[in-house]
Amino acid sequence: DTGVSQDPRHKITKRGQNVTFRCDPISEHNRLYWYRQTLGQGPEFLTYFQNEAQLEKSRLLSDRFSAERPKGSFSTLEIQRTEQGDSAMYLCASTLVKGPNYGYTFGSGTRLTVV
Amino acid sequence: DAKTTQPNSMESNEEEPVHLPCNHSTISGTDYIHWYRQLPSQGPEYVIHGLTSNVNNRMASLAIAEDRKSSTLILHRATLRDAAVYYCILSVSQGAQKLVFGQGTRLTINP
Repeated sequence: DTGVSQDPRHKITKRGQNVTFRCDPISEHNRLYWYRQTLGQGPEFLTYFQNEAQLEKSRLLSDRFSAERPKGSFSTLEIQRTEQGDSAMYLCASTLVKGPNYGYTFGSGTRLTVV
Repeated sequence: DAKTTQPNSMESNEEEPVHLPCNHSTISGTDYIHWYRQLPSQGPEYVIHGLTSNVNNRMASLAIAEDRKSSTLILHRATLRDAAVYYCILSVSQGAQKLVFGQGTRLTINP
């Protein structure tokens, strides 16, 4: 078990381009979350999956954002027509839901810079 | 989502205990208290969580007030590697159970 992996670690893109990030959770974890963190702020919730089902999306997740988790394994987060305001660290977290409450394992994040 | 209040920053010395406070006066009966920490350029790291009773693990201890309106994260013997931003978060026991991060406490450890 190597923890939660995110790829790439860094991405620089031009405004208007599309980008896709990948998250590989801990293999037996059935719940996966995406968060966004801007400089000096705490992470903000974007969306989460229970197995392959996307159950909640934040208002922060505009129509340009889409996330998938095919077969309940890895997840991708795509941003279309990137804007400078999308520059942030995108974090993925996973957990195994087996009780009333539990800790989460975060990845190291993908830092996106839109120029 | 219930909110927490933490000091913006704290400073301590290496090899001394550190007590990080958190106020959560609007906590509900089913909210769990979580602590995470974040080192520069890394994702948050789970530290500890609890509901009513004090909790201990290899990283830290969590002391929860009897009325649950406050809690304290205790690092028994701080090292330089404990320098990080520490987040105190309330997590409901059902639904999305997403973590709502505040500003956290930036802990500085002096050698």
